Amino acid sequence: DQQVKQNSPSLSVQEGRISILNCDYTNSMFDYFLWYKKYPAEGPTFLISISSIKDKNEDGRFTVFLNKSAKHLSLHIVPSQPGDSAVYFCAATIAQGGSEKLVFGKGTKLTVNP
Amino acid sequence: GAGVSQTPSNKVTEKGKYVELRCDPISGHTALYWYRQSLGQGPEFLIYFQGTGAADDSGLPNDRFFAVRPEGSVSTLKIQRTERGDSAVYLCASSLVGRPTEAFFGQGTRLTVV
Repeated sequence: DQQVKQNSPSLSVQEGRISILNCDYTNSMFDYFLWYKKYPAEGPTFLISISSIKDKNEDGRFTVFLNKSAKHLSLHIVPSQPGDSAVYFCAATIAQGGSEKLVFGKGTKLTVNP
Repeated sequence: GAGVSQTPSNKVTEKGKYVELRCDPISGHTALYWYRQSLGQGPEFLIYFQGTGAADDSGLPNDRFFAVRPEGSVSTLKIQRTERGDSAVYLCASSLVGRPTEAFFGQGTRLTVV
């Protein structure tokens, strides 16, 4: 049962254009949603997060939008740069019964072409 | 150290052998997590420690997997009678308790069972 879904395994965009990565979720109990960036042979690195009570969070070139009624979030990268090429994971936090953990999607591989 | 350190970076073992994977968290981080990332998948939760105790081990796939954190710092993930299906990247992350959104990941240990 995949609680966090990233339905696009890959995305290719031109340098300077907008990259939009999408994520859907099923569990209404998630507290926060996060985006991680991962390069080969490295661990995931945190990019940006949004609380479940917000609908937008912006940090430089990165903006995350949350649509709770649709259980959907998206990450916008503007303008895209070749160094943004990586695998992006959508994740959600859940805290229940003394536990706290991240639930990840399968990832979307972003390629930004010069 | 400055970040989460995992050793070894790579481990090749024969089917049926025992392996230990080590995680050195960020100093002062009382929360520690183990995740497993199989090929083409996102990281999947294995176990969560608060201090020395495993607060949630619901993600461990079976009783061949065990993890300890005896002094509330370094953690060791132990896998007995390894199987080819155990091949994956094992990721460790640490954070302050109650701050899963601020978890930092290590680079992972790539385990290959042949």
